[in-house]
Amino acid sequence: AQTVTQSQPEMSVQEAETVTLSCTYDTSESNYYLFWYKQPPSRQMILVIRQEAYKQQNATENRFSVNFQKAAKSFSLKISDSQLGDTAMYFCAFMKHRDDKIIFGKGTRLHILP
Amino acid sequence: SQTIHQWPATLVQPVGSPLSLECTVEGTSNPNLYWYRQAAGRGLQLLFYSVGIGQISSEVPQNLSASRPQDRQFILSSKKLLLSDSGFYLCAWSADTEAFFGQGTRLTVV
Repeated sequence: AQTVTQSQPEMSVQEAETVTLSCTYDTSESNYYLFWYKQPPSRQMILVIRQEAYKQQNATENRFSVNFQKAAKSFSLKISDSQLGDTAMYFCAFMKHRDDKIIFGKGTRLHILP
Repeated sequence: SQTIHQWPATLVQPVGSPLSLECTVEGTSNPNLYWYRQAAGRGLQLLFYSVGIGQISSEVPQNLSASRPQDRQFILSSKKLLLSDSGFYLCAWSADTEAFFGQGTRLTVV
């Protein structure tokens, strides 16, 4: 069974700094999908970034980028120039294929300090 | 455009009472549907997921059940609530490789 592990329960950084959130996963599949979701205090889940395993290029969305290491089964999220609005719970997630379930990690609570 | 409706937003129920949470999706057909529970601001635990009408996969043995009576309707139920059923419940749908979430229901069992 696939598992997703986020080893950092909570992190705090100063505004404008860069922060990296860690995620590792376990699967025997060769192709799959990985995601980072953000859950602000409103509790609305928001997709931040998506990576397809067969694509070697790391996904980027504005200030958000990932470091995808397929062999190491690692999928970290880097937030550059962090902003107060980035304060949220961040979840790493895994999907085996398009019609499969989405498995989430336990989350990392990120605090951006003024 | 696609939208997802989940209700109610907040619910307080006594122990032993029944539960029915409803989720409907608009603007898409044959979506995959999910129920997740989030306890105490922590991780999302997958409870049920469905790839079609009447097709429900249960991930965690528990006091809850799910049904999909129509293509875009997903219902989470319980015959008798337990204190441990308290939490934040999220409905989601996916098509292709992106999931969209409802606003959630905060359930408190007293």
